[in-house]
Amino acid sequence: LAKTTQPISMDSYEGQEVNITCSHNNIATNDYITWYQQFPSQGPRFIIQGYKTKVTNEVASLFIPADRKSSTLSLPRVSLSDTAVYYCLVGDGRDDKIIFGKGTRLHILP
Amino acid sequence: SAVISQKPSRDICQRGTSLTIQCQVDSQVTMMFWYRQQPGQSLTLIATANQGSEATYESGFVIDKFPISRPNLTFSTLTVSNMSPEDSSIYLCSAGTGSDTDTQYFGPGTRLTVL
Repeated sequence: LAKTTQPISMDSYEGQEVNITCSHNNIATNDYITWYQQFPSQGPRFIIQGYKTKVTNEVASLFIPADRKSSTLSLPRVSLSDTAVYYCLVGDGRDDKIIFGKGTRLHILP
Repeated sequence: SAVISQKPSRDICQRGTSLTIQCQVDSQVTMMFWYRQQPGQSLTLIATANQGSEATYESGFVIDKFPISRPNLTFSTLTVSNMSPEDSSIYLCSAGTGSDTDTQYFGPGTRLTVL
């Protein structure tokens, strides 16, 4: 499973766009990139998944450059309720398990 | 998607006792997993709960300490045996519903405190 590196913490303000970048230099050809969100006292929640280029859903966008060695989760116009830990994971599903890194603790300020 | 519930949501236990945590999924799933999460820390995978066979444990976790059952495709239990204060943690189960098991659904967790 490819190792991921992401910032330990980030602060932003309500209404701003937040971009969290994850490095995965050893990503394999069959690997997908998946982001999870975890609120305090809750289990992680799937946000978005992509393989290359750009993916967008109702929650976020995921930008993946051509070399796929990094990815950026973009949260548009954040609110206080977006305060959470965001985990970037890389894998192809064949191992049938997820290994979580340390995640990025995002704190949204009023 | 899948909805996952866990029982109990929290418990306070005495040293040396055991606690069994239940995980129920609202649909049949291929894979179920158990994690541990210390306060302020990331999740650590304990084991994969295999239906009809013994669980697959990660390094540092053994069956005698964390026996797991998976009697069917919607239910699993994790027992924390002979507990010590170091076992105080949040225990979460998750389920993979499709062929790409990077997409998993998590339960709300069980907060365990061992005195």
